[in-house]
Amino acid sequence: DTAVSQTPKYLVTQMGNDKSIKCEQNLGHDTMYWYKQDSKKFLKIMFSYNNKELIINETVPNRFSPKSPDKAHLNLHINSLELGDSAVYFCASSHLGQSEAFFGQGTRLTVV
Amino acid sequence: SQQGEEDPQALSIQEGENATMNCSYKTSINNLQWYRQNSGRGLVHLILIRSNEREKHSGRLRVTLDTSKKSSSLLITASRAADTASYFCATDDLSGGSNYKLTFGKGTLLTVNP
Repeated sequence: DTAVSQTPKYLVTQMGNDKSIKCEQNLGHDTMYWYKQDSKKFLKIMFSYNNKELIINETVPNRFSPKSPDKAHLNLHINSLELGDSAVYFCASSHLGQSEAFFGQGTRLTVV
Repeated sequence: SQQGEEDPQALSIQEGENATMNCSYKTSINNLQWYRQNSGRGLVHLILIRSNEREKHSGRLRVTLDTSKKSSSLLITASRAADTASYFCATDDLSGGSNYKLTFGKGTLLTVNP
């Protein structure tokens, strides 16, 4: 069983489109995250949710809107995609935000 | 500025040799973690060391933490080709209060040649 699963794995889309990435965890964790990894492999946190509530929004453009329908899901919707949004997006989860994080396999987004 | 910084950025060794990677950070922390990322995959947690610990072992991994120097090292002994991956240190940031987040360094790309 995959602990943290995100879909799709690859996403190629044109500038200006709107797209969503879905994430689900079956670990019973109460905290979920979205990270962005750029072409130089630098990982930066975007959002952090605890019990469906947003607790961190790390100065991400408001074209990015996370949604957590329940503790096991954290989806990421991106409006008006730009070339600079091309990156690998990782979903992760943890307990109480104080221990190891479990990562999904990543979604490679390419905006053309 | 970035919280965790690993060095070296890249390391190439022969199978059987030991690999040492270092990480420096800037703020006070609760714990420091090391993660591995194989090419095209997600990150996998390796080991966590708390701020009141100085050394921790897990199999072929040995992690040290020096909070006075704000630095940590990851030693992989008797390396194998399968250890080829990028290794990241990650810290939580006490200055953020209850807004928990992990801050990652840029990583060390380890290549173990058969």
